[in-house]
Amino acid sequence: EVQLVEYGGTFVQPGGSLRLSCAASGFTFNTYNFIWVRRAPGKGLEWVSHISASGGSTHYADSVKGRFTISRDNAKNSVFLQISSLRAEDTAVYYCAREDPRGWYFFDYWGQGTLVTVSS
Amino acid sequence: TVLTQSPGTLSLSPGERATLSCRASQSVSSSYIAWYQQKPGQAPRLLIYGASSRATGIPDRFSGSGSATDYTLTISGLETEDSAVYYCQQYGTSLWTFGQGTKVEIK
Repeated sequence: EVQLVEYGGTFVQPGGSLRLSCAASGFTFNTYNFIWVRRAPGKGLEWVSHISASGGSTHYADSVKGRFTISRDNAKNSVFLQISSLRAEDTAVYYCAREDPRGWYFFDYWGQGTLVTVSS
Repeated sequence: TVLTQSPGTLSLSPGERATLSCRASQSVSSSYIAWYQQKPGQAPRLLIYGASSRATGIPDRFSGSGSATDYTLTISGLETEDSAVYYCQQYGTSLWTFGQGTKVEIK
């Protein structure tokens, strides 16, 4: 069974840093791309960052470029999101999701999410 | 590419048909259009990919259609469990974008 479990979300002050993790199981991890997507309170989904299967290609939304860093450890079946210089507008539930491998750029499995709250 | 979903909220009775619209600010390949369902406190769930293909395990009352800039998700014969927010998603020159969502309420 495919499972994605995010953790690491917490309450943090503006300007602070945090590392989110996504632990995967039930499939061949190193053959899939992954994305982090967030949902802020009262708002819709927003893609944040994407990483290729090898980790050699990464992409970031303009809203987080320079502040967020995505990475992965294929030996530990995990994807990470290092977030820094946090702002109130980064408050959201952060989801990791697996990209379908057929090259159609959609996401077939999602984790339950981890909540990041940025406030003074 | 900006995706605009309408209506913002749809309130219908069980058994009725729901028609959700997703309009793109520029043409999108239908291969790169997906729809997701999200219930409160749950992860998004893939419903439709490639504009019209149902994901594994999705009931056939969910169907997708469209091309270029106009895409539609139809739920035929609404059930109470279909109460959720529905998002369209595209991939293109601006990489991934999601619509703002349509909330479906069951009366």
